[in-house]
Amino acid sequence: GQQLNQSPQSMFIQEGEDVSMNCTSSSIFNTWLWYKQDPGEGPVLLIALYKAGELTSNGRLTAQFGITRKDSFLNISASIPSDVGIYFCAGPYGGATNKLIFGTGTLLAVQP
Amino acid sequence: GAVVSQHPSWVICKSGTSVKIECRSLDFQATTMFWYRQFPKQSLMLMATSNEGSKATYEQGVEKDKFLINHASLTLSTLTVTSAHPEDSSFYICSALSRSDQPQHFGDGTRLSIL
Repeated sequence: GQQLNQSPQSMFIQEGEDVSMNCTSSSIFNTWLWYKQDPGEGPVLLIALYKAGELTSNGRLTAQFGITRKDSFLNISASIPSDVGIYFCAGPYGGATNKLIFGTGTLLAVQP
Repeated sequence: GAVVSQHPSWVICKSGTSVKIECRSLDFQATTMFWYRQFPKQSLMLMATSNEGSKATYEQGVEKDKFLINHASLTLSTLTVTSAHPEDSSFYICSALSRSDQPQHFGDGTRLSIL
């Protein structure tokens, strides 16, 4: 079945550093979504990408829809302690059902 | 806008009991709601898709008789874990969709612990 693999699995960085993570799939996606999940809470949508090659920013976050449509990238610039959490990519599957498959997640820890 | 509320946020109960979790869209009508399960240090796994006024569609491997889903109105879906056992302990998260061309909005989840 479809799988979304995220890399790296975890990151431990210093405050102020930039962060890069990616998400790869064995199949093509027409939409890529990036979510952040804080401990004990539901995921919150950060960025939505709808077109191959698209580059979209949301504050210090920038995400790109890969040209092959099989990958996506998320960058966080000048990280701060509140960036701590698990970042998930997600994409729709199952035709027009709006069902989402989530990636394996990247745990980000930021040391002040 | 687009707030989704789950209740309860945390529940502990004895093995063999049934537990109901509510998912409400507070400021929009949700024709479709989704139920996910997340085990510790793992990703979200879709359990079922709930459409208002019709039977839920379950993902492969999810027991429909154990996880009863009711979507009686455009703002409320419920998940009932019947005869819960310790292996059902997990974080259950719902999401709601207002339009098919919009992303899902997620609730804050329900931590279920079965003793």
